[in-house]
Amino acid sequence: DTEVTQTPKHLVMGMTNKKSLKCEQHMGHRAMYWYKQKAKKPPELMFVYSYEKLSINESVPSRFSPECPNSSLLNLHLHALQPEDSALYLCASSQDGVGGYTFGSGTRLTVV
Amino acid sequence: SQQGEEDPQALSIQEGENATMNCSYKTSINNLQWYRQNSGRGLVHLILIRSNEREKHSGRLRVTLDTSKKSSSLLITASRAADTASYFCATDAGANNLFFGTGTRLTVIP
Repeated sequence: DTEVTQTPKHLVMGMTNKKSLKCEQHMGHRAMYWYKQKAKKPPELMFVYSYEKLSINESVPSRFSPECPNSSLLNLHLHALQPEDSALYLCASSQDGVGGYTFGSGTRLTVV
Repeated sequence: SQQGEEDPQALSIQEGENATMNCSYKTSINNLQWYRQNSGRGLVHLILIRSNEREKHSGRLRVTLDTSKKSSSLLITASRAADTASYFCATDAGANNLFFGTGTRLTVIP
């Protein structure tokens, strides 16, 4: 298995909702990442997990809460989002930062 | 910001022509990577060049790296309509993170 799987592919949520994005990989990669991408912009790093521990938080608002239940799973919990948080959320993994990253196809999030 | 910059922002060529994209970055790096993104989808890793390498090839792709100028280029030879996508350079400075350049939107006209 050489893929990163993200669910759901599309999500529409209200500003008072709580939702979660899920990411899964079975390549034995020990580093996992969340990126946010706005239209026609490059991906921006949000969080990095290394060996299931949060190692980088790029000053992301607390309404985004990451979780790494085990070495294959990465969640992003969403609460009280704003319309400007609408974006493509990408999950990626790598062999502890060595070599290229493998990206999932993303979750298209719309906050209404 | 650690974000790199790419030029051109957009490039339109005929099928069969070569496409060259340039990337400039600001910090010292361990390696530089190039990714392709089809419209609204995930990124696909194309090629990685380490800081002690100057040139690398993979199929129709040729990447160069000049660490003294903090710049890299991606050449796609004999382009095809299927190469139409956005291309991003990304710099790895260690510490387990990757920062992306601004991207080049390539259109290959059949």
